[in-house]
Amino acid sequence: GAGVSQSPSNKVTEKGKDVELRCDPISGHTALYWYRQRLGQGLEFLIYFQGNSAPDKSGLPSDRFSAERTGESVSTLTIQRTQQEDSAVYLCASSQVTGSHYGYTFGSGTRLTVV
Amino acid sequence: AQKITQTQPGMFVQEKEAVTLDCTYDTSDPSYGLFWYKQPSSGEMIFLIYQGSYDQQNATEGRYSLNFQKARKSANLVISASQLGDSAMYFCAMREVGGFKTIFGAGTRLFVKA
Repeated sequence: GAGVSQSPSNKVTEKGKDVELRCDPISGHTALYWYRQRLGQGLEFLIYFQGNSAPDKSGLPSDRFSAERTGESVSTLTIQRTQQEDSAVYLCASSQVTGSHYGYTFGSGTRLTVV
Repeated sequence: AQKITQTQPGMFVQEKEAVTLDCTYDTSDPSYGLFWYKQPSSGEMIFLIYQGSYDQQNATEGRYSLNFQKARKSANLVISASQLGDSAMYFCAMREVGGFKTIFGAGTRLFVKA
């Protein structure tokens, strides 16, 4: 597609429920990233996918968080047993290559509210 | 460990004037890239400008320029001739060359006054 697409744009869920967030990167972008942005704060790295390589999950805050990506296409971020501290905007980004001067192209994010 | 510091939580500038947003960084890697992103109220992050650690000249992109002072580990963003549409959050970021993870500062909120 023309840009990075994320869905849903907004999600309100009850504490303890599981949620699944979706990211559709720009076609041809081999690298995909998930970040979390709490209200009024900067971006916190969660996970990175590059092609068919094993993802780097070093930023995932707990084992309730997991992410998958099928080849170089769609990625899903799953949060199990959501907690109120999970409330944030979850941003997905993609880029053509890594280790270069390419900036990321970000999606509009999913605003998650856990009540 | 890499670190990005933005010490200005908020800045005000008069329309048509220039403004400088501060960014300092820390890394032990000799090769790295520095980035600035804009985040309007809509929430989407927009890539503005890139500076490589070995670039001899400061990067420029239209009204944006990056004042890169390697010895001081600073990478300030200069916006010339501010416009009302420049009101947004601005994030400084860094990535090691050959690395994959970009780290972000806490951001500076810019308010452009008419």
